[in-house]
Amino acid sequence: EPEVTQTPSHQVTQMGQEVILRCVPISNHLYFYWYRQILGQKVEFLVSFYNNEISEKSEIFDDQFSVERPDGSNFTLKIRSTKLEDSAMYFCASSDSLFTEAFFGQGTRLTVV
Amino acid sequence: DAKTTQPPSMDCAEGRAANLPCNHSTISGNEYVYWYRQIHSQGPQYIIHGLKNNETNEMASLIITEDRKSSTLILPHATLRDTAVYYCIVRVPTGANNLFFGTGTRLTVIP
Repeated sequence: EPEVTQTPSHQVTQMGQEVILRCVPISNHLYFYWYRQILGQKVEFLVSFYNNEISEKSEIFDDQFSVERPDGSNFTLKIRSTKLEDSAMYFCASSDSLFTEAFFGQGTRLTVV
Repeated sequence: DAKTTQPPSMDCAEGRAANLPCNHSTISGNEYVYWYRQIHSQGPQYIIHGLKNNETNEMASLIITEDRKSSTLILPHATLRDTAVYYCIVRVPTGANNLFFGTGTRLTVIP
């Protein structure tokens, strides 16, 4: 069964450093998303991406965040200058249309120290 | 924002049907009901969705009341692997397909 893959599974970074979280969506999907989940809290929407541009973003997705689809397979989330409160699980998801379900990856646990 | 209300937790005996309720009294006519689950800290997993008719797939059944103000997800024969947090989400399948997760129901399947 096709799946969304995320790397790395766990990343530790120092406060103020830049991190890039990587995702390989399902190959024929056109819509891509990032969500995050702070430990013990809800899964929160960050951003959606379609046709090489951001479709929608939440209040969390401020100027410190950016997304990119650098090639035909990868979808990345960059955090420019990490803060302690960015520590969370980050989930990538993809779907083939607006009307079908989103498939989620297993997540990257980001720990900012 | 989440527009649904779910009980925070439920238990179910292994092998029995698990019935997870969800209230969505402010649902609009074009909003679908989606169910996802999250096992431990894994990525959310899609289960099923519906508009107004009852739906069934290999994982579960979804029963939506006639007034659409509530629904029930049914896992017909719960196993220990079904222990997870279950999320009921209402959304319009247009725009950017964003999902707004609430706090869900933590289902514990007991041996």
